[in-house]
Amino acid sequence: DIQMTQSPSSLSASVGDRVTITCRASQGIRNDLGWYQQKPGKAPKRLIYAASTLQSGVPSRFSGSGSGTEFTLTISSLQPEDFATYYCLQHNSYPLTFGQGTKVEIK
Amino acid sequence: EVQLVESGGGLVQPGGSLRLSCAASGFTFSDHYMDWVRQAPGKGLEWVGRTRNKAKSYTTEYAASVKGRFTISRDDSKKSLYLQMNSLKTEDTAVYSCVRVSESSGYSYDYWGQGTLVTVSS
Repeated sequence: DIQMTQSPSSLSASVGDRVTITCRASQGIRNDLGWYQQKPGKAPKRLIYAASTLQSGVPSRFSGSGSGTEFTLTISSLQPEDFATYYCLQHNSYPLTFGQGTKVEIK
Repeated sequence: EVQLVESGGGLVQPGGSLRLSCAASGFTFSDHYMDWVRQAPGKGLEWVGRTRNKAKSYTTEYAASVKGRFTISRDDSKKSLYLQMNSLKTEDTAVYSCVRVSESSGYSYDYWGQGTLVTVSS
């Protein structure tokens, strides 16, 4: 199984801050990775697919990068509505595996 | 508008069975692979399994933790996805969500349902 190590598990940040979340795959997954945002009691929402393609309708302050084993989600200027939990998901091979999640909280 | 609506969750005793359903609308259900994903209370996301479409003979994949106990099926005529859960364990307690797989975006997930809660407890 491919392990997805996501870091940090939580972070505190202020509105306007630049935030970076990382996922590391235990083996190469090409660019078969997506990033998802989940708010309490809500279904996850796709932000990024194919590691770096912005989902239609998602603000451009979100960006993704990486390929192979190292991936990054960046929020260039954190907004109040961005406080949520973020997950990466690899769909390169079965079983599909998620990162442990990163909870972004208000400082 | 794409909608995925799960139902069938509830309280069940360990060793019991439950069948979840997911009603799809707003897209051509038969074209898509569909997955089940679960989230235990306060925990992260866990992939449960997949059913492919008719073109791929409705073949399935399962997580090791549920293989042999859970069965995923679909009825394209009813635009519905199912999860038959047998021999349930307390660790199966979670919100179960159906998820649409998007071939056009490299087989990633693009739409999720809100989920239905399954509680396994005596």
